[in-house]
Amino acid sequence: QTVVTQEASFSVSPGGTVKLTCALSSGSVSSSQYPSWYQQTPGRAPRTLIYSTNIRSSGVPDRFSGSILGNKAALTITGAQADDESDYYCVLYLGSGIWVFGGGTKLTVL
Amino acid sequence: EVQLLESGGGLVQPGGSLRLSCAASGFTFSSSAMTWVRLAPGKGLEWLSAISGRGTDSHYAVSVRGRFTISRDNAKNTVYLQMNSLRAEDTAVYYCAKSVPPSSFPPSPPFDPWGLGTLVTVSS
Repeated sequence: QTVVTQEASFSVSPGGTVKLTCALSSGSVSSSQYPSWYQQTPGRAPRTLIYSTNIRSSGVPDRFSGSILGNKAALTITGAQADDESDYYCVLYLGSGIWVFGGGTKLTVL
Repeated sequence: EVQLLESGGGLVQPGGSLRLSCAASGFTFSSSAMTWVRLAPGKGLEWLSAISGRGTDSHYAVSVRGRFTISRDNAKNTVYLQMNSLRAEDTAVYYCAKSVPPSSFPPSPPFDPWGLGTLVTVSS
């Protein structure tokens, strides 16, 4: 079974830059998996940040960006703010109508 | 404004069944694929199932295939998730989301927007 792996946790200082990654157990991540990133805050519905690798969703600040780094998808937060402290999930399309979320990264800003 | 409202969650015993509903408004429902995703306590988001706009195509995660069934009633603008043989590990908040095929043009978020979710607790 294909597994999507993210860092379990990450810490960044206010104003700092952090790259969260998303890897595929069966090989490299490419734009063909349409990597997307969601922010999840407890008690709220997930919020779309990035889709199709690097397209920022409406209303998302430009400090959030998406890319392919090597064989992984990446979400970069530049100039981290306190309210960026949240859980971040990537999701990849595996084909045949199947999507798989990564395990999520808990981001701490301190 | 696009709105999605899930309902039908609650407490159910292991081995039991539950049917979740997601009422949609603010968009052409019959033209839109729909997806169910869950968030279990202490765990991450899990994609469960998707259904095409006409209801002719459906897909399932391995973890729920054979136990869960997705369906829709376009006359009622509602998508359903029938859950059978429930287990403790199915305890989660269940979200529905409007979805688009990954190769759609122009590109769009695969799941957006989302409902607020409905809590399912499987326990004796």
